Amino acid sequence: GAVVSQHPSWVICKSGTSVKIECRSLDFQATTMFWYRQFPKQSLMLMATSNEGSKATYEQGVEKDKFLINHASLTLSTLTVTSAHPEDSSFYICSAARGPQETQYFGPGTRLLVL
Amino acid sequence: AQSVTQPDIHITVSEGASLELRCNYSYGATPYLFWYVQSPGQGLQLLLKYFSGDTLVQGIKGFEAEFKRSQSSFNLRKPSVHWSDAAEYFCAVSNNDMRFGAGTRLTVKP
Repeated sequence: GAVVSQHPSWVICKSGTSVKIECRSLDFQATTMFWYRQFPKQSLMLMATSNEGSKATYEQGVEKDKFLINHASLTLSTLTVTSAHPEDSSFYICSAARGPQETQYFGPGTRLLVL
Repeated sequence: AQSVTQPDIHITVSEGASLELRCNYSYGATPYLFWYVQSPGQGLQLLLKYFSGDTLVQGIKGFEAEFKRSQSSFNLRKPSVHWSDAAEYFCAVSNNDMRFGAGTRLTVKP
């Protein structure tokens, strides 16, 4: 298979704090990982693409200083939402692929609620 | 501009009836094409994908999709819907990066 996990599955935090979300490929090496954001009843919006060992590429309109992405190994990428605010509340989904043009396998998502 | 369109926001079908979910894309070249299903509060599960070759693609859970280049479409079909198929369905295209359609919510009537 190609299993991708995310941790935590949900998190509630106070405004102004930072939250780290982990994305792991459990049974394959992921050269490329993607982070998406999904608002209620809406589609997924790509936030950034990360390749192992290099800086992430952010989509237009996504603040790279707000959403820090680290892809330090072939099985782990992290998304840190810095100084979270209520408008950052959303469902964050990661995906992992063996290469840039390979099939993406999605994690179960992390629901973030900022109070 | 590159885009993915799912014209139907919500579809209701009776259990046992056939299903077709529409997807159209607008890209410079034929991209890779995917269908994903998402249950409430869950991540996405890949149903099927098309890269090249046979334009009729078989997927999991009895789903199939047909790529029609002339219509820039990749419609998802299932001959007999089960109550467990109720979910949100996303069409996606990939040409360097992946773009998703707005999704179609499927309701299954008993």
